[in-house]
Amino acid sequence: DIVMTQSPDSLAVSLGERATIKCRSSQTILSRSNNKNYLAWYQQKPRQPPKLLIYWASARQTGVPDRFSASESGTDFTLTISSLQAEDVAVYYCQQYFSTPYTFGQGTKLEI
Amino acid sequence: QVQLVQSGTEVKKPGSSVKVSCKASGGTFSSYSLSWVRQAPGQGPEWMGGIIPMFGTSNIAQKFQGRLTISAEESTTTVYMELRSLTSEDTAVYYCARDLSLAVPGVYDWWGQGTLVTVSS
Repeated sequence: DIVMTQSPDSLAVSLGERATIKCRSSQTILSRSNNKNYLAWYQQKPRQPPKLLIYWASARQTGVPDRFSASESGTDFTLTISSLQAEDVAVYYCQQYFSTPYTFGQGTKLEI
Repeated sequence: QVQLVQSGTEVKKPGSSVKVSCKASGGTFSSYSLSWVRQAPGQGPEWMGGIIPMFGTSNIAQKFQGRLTISAEESTTTVYMELRSLTSEDTAVYYCARDLSLAVPGVYDWWGQGTLVTVSS
């Protein structure tokens, strides 16, 4: 199974400041056929299901604010929130969908 | 607008089975993969398996093979997850989730509300 490792486990950021969350896959999740990394990011608030933010490592889902962005470098991936808002307090997960079983990171808890 | 509505909370004894339903409405039912993802208390999500109703065959994570059945009923646009030989480690919220699109399998944009399954003697 592909192991997804996130860092840090928790993060406190002031309102309006930048938040950066990292994720590393234990093996490549880059498809040679389409040159895309099979990596998604989700946001989860208490008592809610995860909400899709990003897929194909950097493609923002429709309706997601543009303060959320993501990047990739080999097997390292980064989610950035450019200017933290109060409603961004949540747990963030990365997920690989390159091969089954699809696997998630352990989560990063973002606080103010 | 896709909507996934799951059955209610379950409390089960160790060794028993649980069957959770997920009724889909809005959008095309048969040709999208519907998956089950569970989340134990304080843990990250865990993919269990999925099914494309049109094909009827399921893809089950090896960890659950032999005790998990995922099925679909096209007439009622409902997907089911049955997990057998329950232990306390199966205590979790179970979600059904639908793929973002046929071109992006394994990315979930639509989620059910979750079903809490508690396994306790």
